[in-house]
Amino acid sequence: AQKVTQAQTEISVVEKEDVTLDCVYETRDTTYYLFWYKQPPSGELVFLIRRNSFDEQNEISGRYSWNFQKSTSSFNFTITASQVVDSAVYFCALTPTSGTYKYIFGTGTRLKVLA
Amino acid sequence: ETGVTQTPRHLVMGMTNKKSLKCEQHLGHNAMYWYKQSAKKPLELMFVYSLEERVENNSVPSRFSPECPNSSHLFLHLHTLQPEDSALYLCASSQDYRGPGNTIYFGEGSWLTVV
Repeated sequence: AQKVTQAQTEISVVEKEDVTLDCVYETRDTTYYLFWYKQPPSGELVFLIRRNSFDEQNEISGRYSWNFQKSTSSFNFTITASQVVDSAVYFCALTPTSGTYKYIFGTGTRLKVLA
Repeated sequence: ETGVTQTPRHLVMGMTNKKSLKCEQHLGHNAMYWYKQSAKKPLELMFVYSLEERVENNSVPSRFSPECPNSSHLFLHLHTLQPEDSALYLCASSQDYRGPGNTIYFGEGSWLTVV
């Protein structure tokens, strides 16, 4: 079965704190892709990152970083020095080898950054 | 300006009305999608089009009728909807609907309320 679990329903942090959003996935495919999207209150899902299953290097983009660990089937997302503008719902997603348009989304984590 | 634009952003309609949601993508993509996002539910894929041809119809009730006149435009025609159809409807596009690491880009969504 293909599945993405985001166990954290909602997280609240104070501005400038670091925060990690967890994503655990299940798939039997050896080749797959993982994604993170941000959904601000306006509604649009904004693409943040794509990672393929053969690339376990961690990635950093400004205040954002991602930790991909195949051994634990996790693809966690960390925001450093959070800002109020980071407040949004964040979705992790998986596409298996078969049916690559069939994104399997997690249920999302709502992040609230308080001033 | 977002690469995928949706109109209207907000729509309130009665159960006997007929209305349409419009989506336009400016990314030169070949595939377009409709997703439904209801409160406390995972994102649901409704329809997939590739070069104006429907490639996926995910058991969506016939009161939702998609139309793809060209690869840049996608419509969702609505008629005799139910209150439980109230949701955020997201349009999206990608370069192709197949292929590894297919990245989907979303619009801002149309908030639909059925009264």
